[in-house]
Amino acid sequence: GQNIDQPTEMTATEGAIVQINCTYQTSGFNGLFWYQQHAGEAPTFLSYNVLDGLEEKGRFSSFLSRSKGYSYLLLKELQMKDSASYLCAVSPDGGATNKLIFGTGTLLAVQP
Amino acid sequence: TAGITQAPTSQILAAGRSMTLRCTQDMRHNAMYWYRQDLGLGLRLIHYSNTAGTTGKGEVPDGYSVSRANTDDFPLTLASAVPSQTSVYFCASSDPPNTGELFFGEGSRLTVL
Repeated sequence: GQNIDQPTEMTATEGAIVQINCTYQTSGFNGLFWYQQHAGEAPTFLSYNVLDGLEEKGRFSSFLSRSKGYSYLLLKELQMKDSASYLCAVSPDGGATNKLIFGTGTLLAVQP
Repeated sequence: TAGITQAPTSQILAAGRSMTLRCTQDMRHNAMYWYRQDLGLGLRLIHYSNTAGTTGKGEVPDGYSVSRANTDDFPLTLASAVPSQTSVYFCASSDPPNTGELFFGEGSRLTVL
């Protein structure tokens, strides 16, 4: 089966650092994506990992360990606008389309 | 840049009626997708298309049909709506088709009564 787990909710303080974890068990693996989704809006792409290690992009970083089926999204210098849902998604195979499997999302609340 | 345009933005539909959700992209992406998003269940793939003229079933295809007559348009049809199809529907495209990030439309909120 296909399973992606991430915490339902997290709370953090403005200016702090928060780490959102994601574990996955899928029939195949062709990359892991993180998306941000503000309430009532479309998901927007944040990061992509296909090899083990850390990918840094400004205030956001994403880490992948394929052997452990584990990823995390690290958000630094939190801002109020970072309050959103963060979706972990796995591309399970190398077919002709990128049929992502999504976790249920982590709702992050940033408090002053 | 428009990207992906969905219509309608929201709709209330009586059970048993048919409905087509429209999706148009101007990025010339070959791969397109329809997802539904429900509280506690996340985004689930309904149907997909890797190029004009071909479509495939995703995780939850029952009660839905799609067509891909050209590169830009990928409509989703509910032939006879049921209340369990109440959801937010997102259309997406990707480039490269097999590894690229998904670009999402703004969503269509459908309520079936």
